Amino acid sequence: NAGVMQNPRHLVRRRGQEARLRCSPMKGHSHVYWYRQLPEEGLKFMVYLQKENIIDESGMPKERFSAEFPKEGPSILRIQQVVRGDSAAYFCASSPPGAGGTYGYTFGSGTRLTVV
Amino acid sequence: EDQVTQSPEALRLQEGESSSLNCSYTVSGLRGLFWYRQDPGKGPEFLFTLYSAGEEKEKERLKATLTKKESFLHITAPKPEDSATYLCAVPLTGANNLFFGTGTRLTVIP
Repeated sequence: NAGVMQNPRHLVRRRGQEARLRCSPMKGHSHVYWYRQLPEEGLKFMVYLQKENIIDESGMPKERFSAEFPKEGPSILRIQQVVRGDSAAYFCASSPPGAGGTYGYTFGSGTRLTVV
Repeated sequence: EDQVTQSPEALRLQEGESSSLNCSYTVSGLRGLFWYRQDPGKGPEFLFTLYSAGEEKEKERLKATLTKKESFLHITAPKPEDSATYLCAVPLTGANNLFFGTGTRLTVIP
């Protein structure tokens, strides 16, 4: 049983480029959550999605960041025109439908984004 | 306002020296409190969920307890492999996303 798969594990981008982070949830999980962890800081919620729907994007920066979870394929977190402050670990988690707040999530190993 | 506070920020223990980590929370209508372990360079790994005051759960050298205001993660006779950051989290009021504390970084010295 594969867990939550994130790729790439490490991503280096120059300032102004675009970063695309991918997340495939666990089998049977249809809800995906993205979190960001800045150095020496805690996990901060960004966005909660189910297939073809954004349920809660209250933690997403208003500009340059977007997320999708298409009917087919992985969830994508896209960061346009990256800046040095975007350097962080980005974690994806998944849960069965509606159960994240009750039963918790399973996390992937993260994508470490470095902006140079 | 929903809030989760963990203490201490960092804890160094000798191997075999038992101790406790604290997670204080304020949230309306607690629907669960979650403990995770995070190793450097890895994603958080689920440990426990507690749902009501008085509940306790155990796993190897770890025991989690819950009161109406806080949760404790007790570590009995820790080993170096228990070194990690321990995170607690609660679901925000009316939401499915978890709000995480900043964690306790535990180091167990052989």
